[in-house]
Amino acid sequence: SAVISQKPSRDICQRGTSLTIQCQVDSQVTMMFWYRQQPGQSLTLIATANQGSEATYESGFVIDKFPISRPNLTFSTLTVSNMSPEDSSIYLCSVAEHNEKLFFGSGTQLSVL
Amino acid sequence: KQEVTQIPAALSVPEGENLVLNCSFTDSAIYNLQWFRQDPGKGLTSLLLIQSSQREQTSGRLNASLDKSSGRSTLYIAASQPGDSATYLCAANYGQNFVFGPGTRLSVLP
Repeated sequence: SAVISQKPSRDICQRGTSLTIQCQVDSQVTMMFWYRQQPGQSLTLIATANQGSEATYESGFVIDKFPISRPNLTFSTLTVSNMSPEDSSIYLCSVAEHNEKLFFGSGTQLSVL
Repeated sequence: KQEVTQIPAALSVPEGENLVLNCSFTDSAIYNLQWFRQDPGKGLTSLLLIQSSQREQTSGRLNASLDKSSGRSTLYIAASQPGDSATYLCAANYGQNFVFGPGTRLSVLP
């Protein structure tokens, strides 16, 4: 089973600032996923991060707002840029082991004031 | 459109009861279905994964069944405990396209 370390676990940020979330996996994986979970709702996929290529963003999410890096097969970052209170959510990174079983990091609970 | 729903949205039971959580998916062409547990403000913990060719999977007090043709999966929790209180989500895998249900929020009262 893949073990994923995600940090920070939570943060409180001011409007207009940016936060970078880090995700480290204990094994090499091809695809990493970044999700957002707004209060009381289910998960929404932000983007899929592939090593060596640009991330693939879902409808409604853009690179300028959520830039993603994937420098190698075990690490990725998601930045939430120019934050507003509407960005207050839990952000989750995930990997698919053997492209079929999902594992998640512990999540980053973000509050924007 | 591929959608996943879960019933009930919330459930409160006394300790010791057996209970069933339901997950329905509109497109039956799934590769597998996975059940997760989520504690407040935390990430998701995988509980069970059922391949499309399987009917059920068991882990301890948990049993998940899958009826692919009818687009349904159930998670059975035996002898519930207060520590089972959490949100339970199911996710249908359509070939690296994972579609999540909204979750069932479970409270087990001591």
